[in-house]
Amino acid sequence: GENVEQHPSTLSVQEGDSAVIKCTYSDSASNYFPWYKQELGKRPQLIIDIRSNVGEKKDQRIAVTLNKTAKHFSLHITETQPEDSAVYFCAASRSGSSNTGKLIFGQGTTLQVKP
Amino acid sequence: EAQVTQNPRYLITVTGKKLTVTCSQNMNHEYMSWYRQDPGLGLRQIYYSMNVEVTDKGDVPEGYKVSRKEKRNFPLILESPSPNQTSLYFCASSFGNPGREQYFGPGTRLTVT
Repeated sequence: GENVEQHPSTLSVQEGDSAVIKCTYSDSASNYFPWYKQELGKRPQLIIDIRSNVGEKKDQRIAVTLNKTAKHFSLHITETQPEDSAVYFCAASRSGSSNTGKLIFGQGTTLQVKP
Repeated sequence: EAQVTQNPRYLITVTGKKLTVTCSQNMNHEYMSWYRQDPGLGLRQIYYSMNVEVTDKGDVPEGYKVSRKEKRNFPLILESPSPNQTSLYFCASSFGNPGREQYFGPGTRLTVT
């Protein structure tokens, strides 16, 4: 079945450094790739998403890149701050007329930003 | 206020005692879904519903049931809970289908002894 692999499982960076989290998906028909942030004890919340018709999307300090050929996508956080410390999840699904109703999440990355 | 609510937030129960976790959204979303979160395994989809009376299995449906009789409600039913169903459960909803932003409920921490 469909699968999303996420790496690394934990990531520790110094404040101000960049962080990169990578995901690989198996369903070549996937065309929607969101990233969720989950702070300790809280619910996941969408921080950025990308659709397969674009290769990169930016929103202030965060960006997502997509390589459809290799079936992988990455989250980039620049100038990290302590409040970026959280668990980050990638996910993949089919949207629109080809959607199956499934949303497959990666295993999560615990990001720690040290002051 | 637009929100997804779940009840109860915390539940400790014993093996075999039927329980229901409720989920309700007030955003008129068509799509609703249940996930369980376990350390190292991420969020795994249990069941989803594309609209009223339309439900289907996710990746880990064994031991769970759902129903979607009304658009706003999507209860998760454990007919005979077992210790391996001890987990953190999230309900989520969105417009249309999973290719849209998911709005998550606050989570339900379930312990089965």
